[in-house]
Parts: sequence; structure tokens; C-alpha cells
Amino acid sequence: QQQVKQSPQSLIVQKGGISIINCAYENTAFDYFPWYQQFPGKGPALLIAIRPDVSEKKEGRFTISFNKSAKQFSLHIMDSQPGDSATYFCAASKGNTDKLIFGTGTRLQVFP
Amino acid sequence: ETGVTQSPTHLIKTRGQQVTLRCSSQSGHNTVSWYQQALGQGPQFIFQYYREEENGRGNFPPRFSGLQFPNYSSELNVNALELDDSALYLCASSSTGMKTQYFGPGTRLLVL
Repeated sequence: QQQVKQSPQSLIVQKGGISIINCAYENTAFDYFPWYQQFPGKGPALLIAIRPDVSEKKEGRFTISFNKSAKQFSLHIMDSQPGDSATYFCAASKGNTDKLIFGTGTRLQVFP
Repeated sequence: ETGVTQSPTHLIKTRGQQVTLRCSSQSGHNTVSWYQQALGQGPQFIFQYYREEENGRGNFPPRFSGLQFPNYSSELNVNALELDDSALYLCASSSTGMKTQYFGPGTRLLVL
């Protein structure tokens, strides 16, 4: 059962553009929603995370928008750069076990 | 501050063999989680260790087992390897009460 659905599967953006990746979840008990960035051959690296009591969080060029009623959250990458080319995963967790449920990933390519 | 380290980086085994993967948690972290990431997929939670005991398990058979040591480092053991066990195995560490998980670079396992 896919508890976190992520789209699109791949995304091509021109340098300087805005990259938008969307995720939807099913379990209303989730209370933590991180985004990870993964380069080929590397482990996922935490980008930014949000809790459901906040509707938006911004860190540098990265912004999470959170819609609790729609059970959706999205990652916006402003002024996208070729160095942002990677696979991005949304995830969700609940409670004390901290078990992360990941989306299927979005491969972002930023062209100069 | 030392990050999460994993060994070995790559491993080739044949079907039916056993394998042990190792993880050293980030300094100050007492919880270790293991994930399996098949090619082109998001990481899947295997299990988590806290205070040297299993603290939550995903949908993986008993031939996947683990250990956590007093220094919080951890091992993942897989018995009776199957071809489908070929994947990147990721270790993530975190601290009690903190949701954020930090991933290591992973161990790439190939089962022939």
C-alpha cells in the first residue's frame, strides 16, 4: 500500500526556473514531513522538513507548502540550478518509531 | 562532528549466502534505522534499533535481522540471500525525541 504518492516522476526545468514536486499522503496520523535530495551513488540528504501545524516553511531557495485539509505537501525550488539536478524524495512519519515512509521519487534535471 | 558511515561500500554475494552490513551512527545519536532502496525506488524501512533492541519493523522477513551495540553502531544481517535482495542498503541515525534522520552513503549489495 503506497501511503505517500509523489509526482511527477521526472521533471525538466531550465536554469533559473521554479521546480515544483508534489506529494499526497493518506494517513492523518503522520506528523512529520521531510524532503530528501539524493545524488547518484549517495545516500539521501535532508533538505527541509515541516510539521502539520505550519502551512509553509522556507529555507534559502527551498520552500515546503503544506495543505493539511487536502493531505498534500509540495517542494518548491526557486532559481533552480544545474547543481540541483538529483532525485528528490518526499517522506512522512508518525509517532516515536520515526519510521519514514518515502514517496517514489522525482528525478529533476536542470538545464543551463 | 562525524556523520553516518557504512561499510562496505559495495558487496557481491551469491544466492543463498549470508551478508553482514555495518553502520556507525552520527556522534550523539542513539537510534539507528535501516532501509532498503531498490533501483529507481524510494527507500523502504526494514527496522529500527534503540537501546540495543528492535524498535519497529517494516514488511521484511525474519531472515533480515539486526544488532545495535553499546556505542550505538549497528549491523544488518541478511541470511539465505535472494536475487531480489540486490539493492542499496541505507543506515540512518537519529536522536531520541528528534524526528530528523541522517543517512549514510549506503552499501550497494549485488546478489548473483
